[in-house]
Amino acid sequence: DAGVIQSPRHEVTEMGQEVTLRCKPISGHDYLFWYRQTMMRGLELLIYFNNNVPIDDSGMPEDRFSAKMPNASFSTLKIQPSEPRDSAVYFCASSYSGTGLYGYTFGSGTRLTVV
Amino acid sequence: QKEVEQNSGPLSVPEGAIASLNCTYSDRVSQSFFWYRQYSGKSPELIMSIYSNGDKEDGRFTAQLNKASQYVSLLIRDSQPSDSATYLCAESSGTYKYIFGTGTRLKVLA
Repeated sequence: DAGVIQSPRHEVTEMGQEVTLRCKPISGHDYLFWYRQTMMRGLELLIYFNNNVPIDDSGMPEDRFSAKMPNASFSTLKIQPSEPRDSAVYFCASSYSGTGLYGYTFGSGTRLTVV
Repeated sequence: QKEVEQNSGPLSVPEGAIASLNCTYSDRVSQSFFWYRQYSGKSPELIMSIYSNGDKEDGRFTAQLNKASQYVSLLIRDSQPSDSATYLCAESSGTYKYIFGTGTRLKVLA
């Protein structure tokens, strides 16, 4: 099992540019989560999907953020246009409902720096 | 607004001692609780989950839950320098939407 795979690991971009973060969940997992982590606010849930359908996007900070899950093995989080305050580590995580509420498996994260 | 509170630390303990990490939560309907360990620059990894009042032991780790006091703790026995990390507490009120605390940094001194 390769775990949750995120790309890129690091992204440095200029303010105003579009940024796309990618995630491949663990095969067979039916829940996928996007989190953002900063020193000040800790881990914040942005959006989560169940069977590729967005369930709760109340954590998405503003319209500049969007997320898609076109199939069970791929999801993207897009920021357009990016701003310096978007600098953070973005984690993708997945979970399987068949084991109950047992917690997530996180990917390695994407460290985003917007300059 | 549901909240999970943790002391940011650092909590420093000598090697071999018991480390006690604490977490309080605001939502009385919270059902499931999780402890994650996060090494610097790495992603969180699940250590323990607990759903019922009382203690749950797994190796050197013991999770304790007191729903009446809205309090969950993690004890690490025989602490090792390799346990030095940030420990995140998370809760769920029956859905997959977990709320995380900001974490407690633990330093185990050799």
